[in-house]
Amino acid sequence: QKEVEQDPGPLSVPEGAIVSLNCTYSNSAFQYFMWYRQYSRKGPELLMYTYSSGNKEDGRFTAQVDKSSKYISLFIRDSQPSDSATYLCAMTLSGNTPLVFGKGTRLSVIA
Amino acid sequence: GAGVSQSPSNKVTEKGKDVELRCDPISGHTALYWYRQRLGQGLEFLIYFQGNSAPDKSGLPSDRFSAERTGESVSTLTIQRTQQEDSAVYLCASSRGQQGNTIYFGEGSWLTVV
Repeated sequence: QKEVEQDPGPLSVPEGAIVSLNCTYSNSAFQYFMWYRQYSRKGPELLMYTYSSGNKEDGRFTAQVDKSSKYISLFIRDSQPSDSATYLCAMTLSGNTPLVFGKGTRLSVIA
Repeated sequence: GAGVSQSPSNKVTEKGKDVELRCDPISGHTALYWYRQRLGQGLEFLIYFQGNSAPDKSGLPSDRFSAERTGESVSTLTIQRTQQEDSAVYLCASSRGQQGNTIYFGEGSWLTVV
């Protein structure tokens, strides 16, 4: 079993839809959880950062962490064509240790 | 600059040649990371620096790969005798190196070995 599992998609949704992206992980010691957005031929851009379990909201984006289930989610409300990108989940044991990434989910939002 | 800077942004090299990739982290960031991303794949950890020491080199795929860092500044990733399977984007990231600080990526160096 890989440390972090993420469905690669592709996921295609109509503009305005609510998007749900998910990752599962096997290492219960992970404490910091992140979502990165990566546009084609660009570096990953940090979207959301969460410590331990709980929810965090930032505009149209909500990140959820359920440590008991080893499951994290990213929700995008009112999705826009500009949200079309690959979304990578990442996690780490502490704030200054290397991140372990999922493979990324490719999202297309169709106008 | 404000962000992580990488050079070259694109490199095409012949199989068997050596290449050097450079990363200039965000000023004040003590931690520096190198990742590799093959086409359609996730990010693969290569090496991590805290200052100029490398506490974790576990991801370097072979002895053809090496990296160094000068102080808390520029890092160079060197690939010797490049092979076609080395074709990928090499991403550098940096962070303040303290508990809970986030990691920021550069735009990557896109390497093609022909």
